[in-house]
Amino acid sequence: AQKITQTQPGMFVQEKEAVTLDCTYDTSDQSYGLFWYKQPSSGEMIFLIYQGSYDEQNATEGRYSLNFQKARKSANLVISASQLGDSAMYFCAMRELLNQAGTALIFGKGTTLSVSS
Amino acid sequence: DSGVTQTPKHLITATGQRVTLRCSPRSGDLSVYWYQQSLDQGLQFLIQYYNGEERAKGNILERFSAQQFPDLHSELNLSSLELGDSALYFCASSFRLAGPEGELFFGEGSRLTVL
Repeated sequence: AQKITQTQPGMFVQEKEAVTLDCTYDTSDQSYGLFWYKQPSSGEMIFLIYQGSYDEQNATEGRYSLNFQKARKSANLVISASQLGDSAMYFCAMRELLNQAGTALIFGKGTTLSVSS
Repeated sequence: DSGVTQTPKHLITATGQRVTLRCSPRSGDLSVYWYQQSLDQGLQFLIQYYNGEERAKGNILERFSAQQFPDLHSELNLSSLELGDSALYFCASSFRLAGPEGELFFGEGSRLTVL
């Protein structure tokens, strides 16, 4: 079984600063995908960024980048130039193959990010 | 807007009752997933359907059941409700059945409160 670990329950950052949210994973699969989602206080789950295990370059999407270190099994999310609207819960997830017939995203416990002015 | 529609958005009911949550996936998506989010358990995968067939099961209780209809919408039925079933229930959809890539698109969730 795969596992996602997010060790930071809460992070605090000031506007315009960069912040790194940690995620480590455990899998025996050779091919896998890692995802980050944002959940603001309104509750919806917003997809941010994806990294495939065979991707040679770290994924980037605007102010979001994924610091992928395969040997360390880590997939940290970096948010540059934080904004007040970045305050939310952030989840790291990985696709898990289930009973050879389906898949699901398995999520970590999440990190709450608070951005102050 | 993810394109995934969930109804109702909020639901308050009593213990022992039964409720049905409804989900319409994004146009063209064949896979539907149900998740439960509670404060103590986090985001838990419940079940996956693909083109009408159950494909994967997670931590879904026997009191819960789901199905996906020919028009690809899905329903999650929760019966004999207990206080601990109070949670935010998400539906998500994707085009693919399997493979490591492809994000899930989530609906806004149905918040269930059991009194």
